[in-house]
Amino acid sequence: GAVVSQHPSRVICKSGTSVKIECRSLDFQATTMFWYRQFPKQSLMLMATSNEGSKATYEQGVEKDKFLINHASLTLSTLTVTSAHPEDSSFYICSARDLLAGGTTEQFFGPGTRLTVL
Amino acid sequence: QKEVEQNSGPLSVPEGAIASLNCTYSDRGSQSFFWYRQYSGKSPELIMSIYSNGDKEDGRFTAQLNKASQYVSLLIRDSQPSDSATYLCAVAGGTSYGKLTFGQGTILTVHP
Repeated sequence: GAVVSQHPSRVICKSGTSVKIECRSLDFQATTMFWYRQFPKQSLMLMATSNEGSKATYEQGVEKDKFLINHASLTLSTLTVTSAHPEDSSFYICSARDLLAGGTTEQFFGPGTRLTVL
Repeated sequence: QKEVEQNSGPLSVPEGAIASLNCTYSDRGSQSFFWYRQYSGKSPELIMSIYSNGDKEDGRFTAQLNKASQYVSLLIRDSQPSDSATYLCAVAGGTSYGKLTFGQGTILTVHP
C-alpha cells in the first residue's frame, strides 16, 4: 500500500517552455500532497503544500506564478514549471499523506522527476 | 541554527557493524520523527517513524527518541553493503504541523 507515482520520470526541455509533472496516489486518497525540489548533494526543500480543492500554500521564496500547482482530486496533484530556465533543472519529488491515517504525518514519496532545462 | 541537523558524515562502517546516525531538532513542539533512506538518484523511502520517547525496533533498525534533549537517532545493526545510502532525518509537528523539515542527510557507506 501507500504507493505514489510520478510522471514523467525524466524530462528534458528547452528554456522558456513549460513542463507539467503529475503526482498520483495509487492506492489511497490524499487530501494533502507536497512538492519538493532537491538539487545535487542537497537535502529536500519543500516548495509547496497542495490541498485538494483549494489553493496551494507556497514556501517562502517559491514563486507561485512560476510553479503552478493544481490538486483537482484526492489522488492527483500536478506541478507545472512555467517558462523553465536552466536554473530550474532539479529533481522534483512529490509526497502524499493518507487521508485515513488520522493524526500521523507519514508522507509517502513518489519516485521523482528529473528535469533538465537546456 | 538549522531546524534539523544531522551528524555531517560521511559515515563509513564495516559490514556487520552497527551504524549510528544522529539528529537534533530545534522546534520543541515537534511531534513526529522519521528516518528516510535515499539511494543515489532515487526518492526517499520511509524506513522508521517514531512518535514517543524511547526506542522503536523494526528488524535491524532501531529508532531512539529523546524529546527532552530534542534528539533522535537511528541504529542499523548488522550493516550490509545494501544499506549504503543517504539517511535523512525528518521532523513534523510543532509550528509546522503536517510539513516535514529535513536534515541535510548523512551519507553512510558500508564496506565489505
